[in-house]
Amino acid sequence: GENVEQHPSTLSVQEGDSAVIKCTYSDSASNYFPWYKQELGKRPQLIIDIRSNVGEKKDQRIAVTLNKTAKHFSLHITETQPEDSAVYFCAASNASGGSYIPTFGRGTSLIVHP
Amino acid sequence: NAGVTQTPKFQVLKTGQSMTLQCAQDMNHNSMYWYRQDPGMGLRLIYYSASEGTTDKGEVPNGYNVSRLNKREFSLRLESAAPSQTSVYFCASKRQVTTYEQYFGPGTRLTVT
Repeated sequence: GENVEQHPSTLSVQEGDSAVIKCTYSDSASNYFPWYKQELGKRPQLIIDIRSNVGEKKDQRIAVTLNKTAKHFSLHITETQPEDSAVYFCAASNASGGSYIPTFGRGTSLIVHP
Repeated sequence: NAGVTQTPKFQVLKTGQSMTLQCAQDMNHNSMYWYRQDPGMGLRLIYYSASEGTTDKGEVPNGYNVSRLNKREFSLRLESAAPSQTSVYFCASKRQVTTYEQYFGPGTRLTVT
């Protein structure tokens, strides 16, 4: 089955800096890669996703890049703000079959210091 | 719309006790999921239901059972709770085949002593 590795497990940055979280996956059939943000005590919520036919996707201060050859994808957050502090999860899945079963990374705790 | 709801929010059980975690969604979603979240372990799939009437095991099904009662409701049962089942449990749902965003419930924090 799919295996997703996520690094780093903790990331501490100063407000205004950029943050990068990286994930690797093992199954070359995976074609959908979402990122979820989970604030302390809250539920995970989708913030951005990318499909394998696209190399990069941006939404304001966040962007995701995908390298299918190397089987890795990354989340980039620019101009970080204290409200970006949360745990971020990446996931990978083969979304072309009948059932959608994503495999999640272990999460990255992002701390943005004011 | 309430989205995905879960009850209870918190629960403390003694080893060997049983309980059922309830999940409901009002978004007419086909697929529903149960995850457990442990520190440093991410979200691990316990069971899922691709559509009403079907259920399948995920990565960590041992010690759990599920029921897809109807399209709205998907319950998770612990028959004989063990301390290793202390965790935060999230239910999630997903719409149709061609969309992949999962909507999560608020979670149930379960402690087994």
